[in-house]
Amino acid sequence: KAGVTQTPRYLIKTRGQQVTLSCSPISGHRSVSWYQQTPGQGLQFLFEYFSETQRNKGNFPGRFSGRQFSNSRSEMNVSTLELGDSALYLCASSLGPGQVGDTQYFGPGTRLTVL
Amino acid sequence: AQSVTQLGSHVSVSEGALVLLRCNYSSSVPPYLFWYVQYPNQGLQLLLKYTSAATLVKGINGFEAEFKKSETSFHLTKPSAHMSDAAEYFCAVRGNTGFQKLVFGTGTRLLVSP
Repeated sequence: KAGVTQTPRYLIKTRGQQVTLSCSPISGHRSVSWYQQTPGQGLQFLFEYFSETQRNKGNFPGRFSGRQFSNSRSEMNVSTLELGDSALYLCASSLGPGQVGDTQYFGPGTRLTVL
Repeated sequence: AQSVTQLGSHVSVSEGALVLLRCNYSSSVPPYLFWYVQYPNQGLQLLLKYTSAATLVKGINGFEAEFKKSETSFHLTKPSAHMSDAAEYFCAVRGNTGFQKLVFGTGTRLLVSP
């Protein structure tokens, strides 16, 4: 089975721009979660989608948003980029609630640099 | 609410030596616990997980971890370190029902010297 894929792998944007990141989950996985990883804050949860609905949300401003499509693929969007948004954005997929352990499998990440 | 504490931001071992990475958790509900490894410029790879079955969990690459409820610990061990084990290791916890986020520790960087 193919793993979680994320595109693009690297992005460079300037302050004030917006960006869209894409995530394709493992086949059969219906839940997609997003995490931000920075040296200062570590790994922080952004949000989780299941059946095209946001089910859980972390403590991030409204500039961070996401969506999930009927094929379980997900996108996250960051508007009005700030320097502090520079980070590795990780997507993880899982089968969904009700599965024992409901293990999350991660993609390689998208490295976003904001200049 | 759940949280994880990883003791030691850096751990150095010699090749062939025992690897011990410490993780203590706090959880208001029975937890699921995970160890992930991250190599430079890569995502997180699952090493092993505890989901309330056997308390001693075996994972990939010779790693194992033991769930100790009385000590609220889930330490990661490997009998003999290899150079390829050099990476950052993250312990994570989540609740066992519904939509629960993974809560990560701050990570431990493992350095392996020849």
